[in-house]
Amino acid sequence: DQQVKQNSPSLSVQEGRISILNCDYTNSMFDYFLWYKKYPAEGPTFLISISSIKDKNEDGRFTVFLNKSAKHLSLHIVPSQPGDSAVYFCAASVGGNKLVFGAGTILRVKS
Amino acid sequence: DAMVIQNPRYQVTQFGKPVTLSCSQTLNHNVMYWYQQKSSQAPKLLFHYYDKDFNNEADTPDNFQSRRPNTSFCFLDIRSPGLGDAAMYLCATSRAWTGGTSNYGYTFGSGTRLTVV
Repeated sequence: DQQVKQNSPSLSVQEGRISILNCDYTNSMFDYFLWYKKYPAEGPTFLISISSIKDKNEDGRFTVFLNKSAKHLSLHIVPSQPGDSAVYFCAASVGGNKLVFGAGTILRVKS
Repeated sequence: DAMVIQNPRYQVTQFGKPVTLSCSQTLNHNVMYWYQQKSSQAPKLLFHYYDKDFNNEADTPDNFQSRRPNTSFCFLDIRSPGLGDAAMYLCATSRAWTGGTSNYGYTFGSGTRLTVV
């Protein structure tokens, strides 16, 4: 029973273009959402978050959009850079603890 | 730098032979988590400690145990590893959630990749 789903295992984008990573969830009780980035041989690192009271949060090149009615969130990276190539995990929680993760999307940014 | 350290990075153990993975933190976070991640799957929460309080997930096998002797250290014990337990094991820490919209995301260690032979 996957409560958080990332349906695209991988995404390839040209340098300078927009990368859009998608995530769907099923638990309507989730009220806090995060994106993590993971490089090979390292643990996931926090990227950006959004609470359910917002529909958009921006941090530099990274923007997360939340559509509660569709139970969908997305991460936009503009412009994409080769150093953004990594695995991106979507995560969600009720009340901030016990994050539930998606399976991840491998992003490759080609130069 | 404050961080979460997992040892060892790679662990090979024999089928059925008990193995212990360790995690230490210098962040003074009061919550510590253990996740299991199998290839191309989502990290799955096994259990977490809120200070000394142990919280097991309902579907975590009895084969998996944990100890937290103090704030800084947490151990994952696998009593009788099977081939299906081969995975990456991730330790993470966080501050307790107190509401608001601040980031209370986890800080992860680099993981221990367990191989069972």
